[in-house]
Amino acid sequence: GAGVSQTPSNKVTEKGKYVELRCDPISGHTALYWYRQSLGQGPEFLIYFQGTGAADDSGLPNDRFFAVRPEGSVSTLKIQRTERGDSAVYLCASSRSFQETQYFGPGTRLLVL
Amino acid sequence: ILNVEQSPQSLHVQEGDSTNFTCSFPSSNFYALHWYRWETAKSPEALFVMTLNGDEKKKGRISATLNTKEGYSYLYIKGSQPEDSATYLCAFFRGNLIFGKGTKLSVKP
Repeated sequence: GAGVSQTPSNKVTEKGKYVELRCDPISGHTALYWYRQSLGQGPEFLIYFQGTGAADDSGLPNDRFFAVRPEGSVSTLKIQRTERGDSAVYLCASSRSFQETQYFGPGTRLLVL
Repeated sequence: ILNVEQSPQSLHVQEGDSTNFTCSFPSSNFYALHWYRWETAKSPEALFVMTLNGDEKKKGRISATLNTKEGYSYLYIKGSQPEDSATYLCAFFRGNLIFGKGTKLSVKP
């Protein structure tokens, strides 16, 4: 079956611009997670959705970052006024329910110039 | 702050060698430990989810053990092959996954 997909696979933008990153989870998975991996680090948690609601957004670094999942399926991570430090691989994962195996997409590589 | 440590940071072995690496994590309030394999330009692939002290799991030539009382897990690869070259990540589950930095394995033919 289809796995988690993420678009775009690569995104280059200029400092100060707005970007949107999209995640299509595995069909039927109610839990959706966003992580960010910076160079030399392991992935770091950003936000977790259970259905349409953000159950835990404690990992979002500041108010420039926002994520939605309006119909409980596709999610969009939005970054306003991008900064060079936002450059990273943004990973999305989904699972059937909380605590079960998380299946990851291939990531979006964001470069802010 | 919860810390997950992995060692070594990188490992170079010859084809056919067996190898192992370590993941250490907080031993209190344990829920689960996840292992992933991440090849360049691909999605991280789930290997194991380990929940019970003393758990041993196996998938082909790869196996893992878990000690929740002392807070460590070992990942073993028997007879490494070039296609095993990847970064191996462990992650402690505490509502979300808290990852280590990974062990980067390179297997030379």
